[in-house]
Amino acid sequence: DTGVSQDPRHKITKRGQNVTFRCDPISEHNRLYWYRQTLGQGPEFLTYFQNEAQLEKSRLLSDRFSAERPKGSFSTLEIQRTEQGDSAMYLCASSSWTSGSKTQYFGPGTRLLVL
Amino acid sequence: GQQVMQIPQYQHVQEGEDFTTYCNSSTTLSNIQWYKQRPGGHPVFLIQLVKSGEVKKQKRLTFQFGEAKKNSSLHITATQTTDVGTYFCAGQETSGSRLTFGEGTQLTVNP
Repeated sequence: DTGVSQDPRHKITKRGQNVTFRCDPISEHNRLYWYRQTLGQGPEFLTYFQNEAQLEKSRLLSDRFSAERPKGSFSTLEIQRTEQGDSAMYLCASSSWTSGSKTQYFGPGTRLLVL
Repeated sequence: GQQVMQIPQYQHVQEGEDFTTYCNSSTTLSNIQWYKQRPGGHPVFLIQLVKSGEVKKQKRLTFQFGEAKKNSSLHITATQTTDVGTYFCAGQETSGSRLTFGEGTQLTVNP
């Protein structure tokens, strides 16, 4: 499978714990995006990278959230001191900036439940 | 900031009936993308519209991009049960940048 992959697919944690999610983009894609989706809503943008550079962060990305893409390939999204309001599906998408239609292709998401 | 509004929020149809969802952006877009999300799934890319007034067809699905590049629509002819899901439009102000999604239209099809 050469699509976007995310790990883990599901995560249950207790309030106050830290969690980290991983995203592996489509191999030739140099842009990587993180979105958050709550039930009944459309995905909301969090941040995106071109190669290893983080180009934009949403106001939704509080100080408890940090994203990295150290080698310009996979990315991690860490949430520190989780709160119940962080419960959502975290989606990763990737696109090619250098060629093609720049369409964003989404991974299966990580569903987070904070108890 | 940019907002994308989508109506209706829900649509229930009998199999064989047509379905349309409408999308409107508060700002002029570089392009608009449409996605379908099945229950429990993730958004799956359907199509991208770039040109003013563009119309694209995929079998029973017809996508339009408005002349002012601020609105778009998706029309499904003769719905089938396999069309069930939530359809999202997502606009980009600048190509390659963040997508701003509408709230989605949840389609249910009664057999």
